[in-house]
Amino acid sequence: SSELTQDPAVSVALGQTVRITCQGDSLRSYYASWYQQKPGQAPVLVIYGKNNRPSGIPDRFSGSSSGNTASLTITGAQAEDEADYYCNSRDSSGNLVVFGGGTKLTVL
Amino acid sequence: QVQLQESGPGLVKPSETLSLTCTVSGGSISSYYWSWIRQPAGKGLEWIGRIYTSGSTNYNPSLKSRVTMSVDTSKNQFSLKLSSVTAADTAVYYCARLIVVDEAFDIWGQGTMVTVSS
Repeated sequence: SSELTQDPAVSVALGQTVRITCQGDSLRSYYASWYQQKPGQAPVLVIYGKNNRPSGIPDRFSGSSSGNTASLTITGAQAEDEADYYCNSRDSSGNLVVFGGGTKLTVL
Repeated sequence: QVQLQESGPGLVKPSETLSLTCTVSGGSISSYYWSWIRQPAGKGLEWIGRIYTSGSTNYNPSLKSRVTMSVDTSKNQFSLKLSSVTAADTAVYYCARLIVVDEAFDIWGQGTMVTVSS
């Protein structure tokens, strides 16, 4: 079982704002990173660290953290944002890597 | 820009050893951490382990007894060996570069499907 918990599925109306969450004890000490994965493709890093976007990632993607919960927010969701989203961070020992179970985002 | 490419057999027999190599192009393998991650069909991502270019490793405890990772800096490659495979090891295997300070995988290979079957 994963040490990071994500809701299996979330939906959002086109153009609206959606928050995808990731919960785990290690998030009290470490930031989460977030990945977007479309069918048949490798994951793509969209947010890392406190709230950093790699080059080429639209600024509608943002990250935040509070307590044991990290969040990925998409402000003004687009049809192309429909994908699976995964968080990852360190495990509770701080030495290893762990992924959340993933959230399937549907844009209505 | 840096690109990663996985290579290796797509079919492995049960009880045998899965062997994959990741070739790093467009940049040096040195001074980075590198990881293997897998994804069974329709399921989530599972971190297998990481290796630094010095050869130091960390493995997922659930796989540790069966995993060996190595690095060949002269070839700009790193490798994965997973022993005693079963059908449960059937998955897409990805190699990725790890930015350890952020625990973020910033560059991924395209992935390679490995099926365990007789």
